[in-house]
Amino acid sequence: QSVLTQPPSASGTPGQRVTISCSGSSSNIGINTVNWYQQLPGTAPKLLIYSVNQRPSGVPDRFSGSKSGTSASLAISGLQSEDEADYYCAAWDDSLNGRVFGGGTKLTVL
Amino acid sequence: EVQLMESGGGLVQTGGSLRLSCAASGFIFSRYAMTWVRQAPGKGLEWVSTFGGNGDITYYADSVKGRFTISRDNSKNTLYLQMNTLRAEDTAVYYCAKGLSKYSSSSIDYWGQGTLVTVSS
Repeated sequence: QSVLTQPPSASGTPGQRVTISCSGSSSNIGINTVNWYQQLPGTAPKLLIYSVNQRPSGVPDRFSGSKSGTSASLAISGLQSEDEADYYCAAWDDSLNGRVFGGGTKLTVL
Repeated sequence: EVQLMESGGGLVQTGGSLRLSCAASGFIFSRYAMTWVRQAPGKGLEWVSTFGGNGDITYYADSVKGRFTISRDNSKNTLYLQMNTLRAEDTAVYYCAKGLSKYSSSSIDYWGQGTLVTVSS
């Protein structure tokens, strides 16, 4: 059971906008920054969003992040077939003194 | 270009030991927190351990505390994970990852390609 809670699956058609939620608590998302990672099949995770809503260079602006209280969201607009992947949220947890991940959301592009 | 290259994975018997290494290049290794994250087959990501870049500050997941030891050699730009008393549930791909800053709580921005550890009786 993951400390951060994500829906196990999400889907959308090309061009659509989809959002993936990540629910935490006051010891992690509530007080620390949130990151999002994309993991394509058979590859290592890749940083998509850091510090809640910042994109590393090279990440398209179709990807955006937000946070409210103890929850965060990843939004993907203009969905493309290559966005089909697993997405994970993560944050540092001050009570556990460690990094916590969401269970991952498998995004399917229909 | 940041590169992280893990090695040392393989097949080990239950109760055995293994040491993973992560050779880093493309950044000033000593200035950044470094982390091990694992992923069991078909499962999600699980944080294992972090070594801060600002001293000898280390953190461990409860699932490995007392069995695994993280260390780093800044002169060799290498991160290590000594794994003892291995269990079947330690079977996973182990990723080496770099932090955005020296602080252990900073985001992970780069990942290695991972090394597979299989624990079997």
